[in-house]
Amino acid sequence: DTEVTQTPKHLVMGMTNKKSLKCEQHMGHRAMYWYKQKAKKPPELMFVYSYEKLSINESVPSRFSPECPNSSLLNLHLHALQPEDSALYLCASSRSQGGSSYEQYFGPGTRLTVT
Amino acid sequence: EDQVTQSPEALRLQEGESSSLNCSYTVSGLRGLFWYRQDPGKGPEFLFTLYSAGEEKEKERLKATLTKKESFLHITAPKPEDSATYLCAVQASIRGYQKVTFGTGTKLQVIP
Repeated sequence: DTEVTQTPKHLVMGMTNKKSLKCEQHMGHRAMYWYKQKAKKPPELMFVYSYEKLSINESVPSRFSPECPNSSLLNLHLHALQPEDSALYLCASSRSQGGSSYEQYFGPGTRLTVT
Repeated sequence: EDQVTQSPEALRLQEGESSSLNCSYTVSGLRGLFWYRQDPGKGPEFLFTLYSAGEEKEKERLKATLTKKESFLHITAPKPEDSATYLCAVQASIRGYQKVTFGTGTKLQVIP
């Protein structure tokens, strides 16, 4: 099973709202990722968690706050977003980070619209 | 800086018309090259990993090859269901972190 699940599928939020995106995998992967993808663009890396610790933050604004409660779950907390943050948010996981090279498995994404 | 360039940006094929997609890369210390397929509004679906020049991988109508500077995704006798955006990504080791850089993709349309 190579499934990564994400909820919700769609989210509309105002600029003053607080919301969270959720991601789950049961493949025993120890690395998890958040990506942002705008229309007709490739996925853009936001955060990397390795063994439940944040290892990479690609200079993402503080209005995005990641959290990794355990090895299977990854959250992205959203607060005071801007309309330009509207995008498809993708979660991915891989066997590990560092050392060998492993492919990433992506979830279906959350389509976020900020009004 | 690592760079990944895919060509063409878009490709329109008749059903059964074979062709190739190109992924050129400039990266220090390549650890792996990945091909993904992405349908509109969905997450990328993993297809292949290639690790070293000369390596080839096949899956149904798709065959991926790798040289020291580029990778090709060959599509043999495509069907309409092969229509999607195909993304290439390279992985390099930077300060112990495996960084993945995606290309901008090739949008393939297969016409019945």
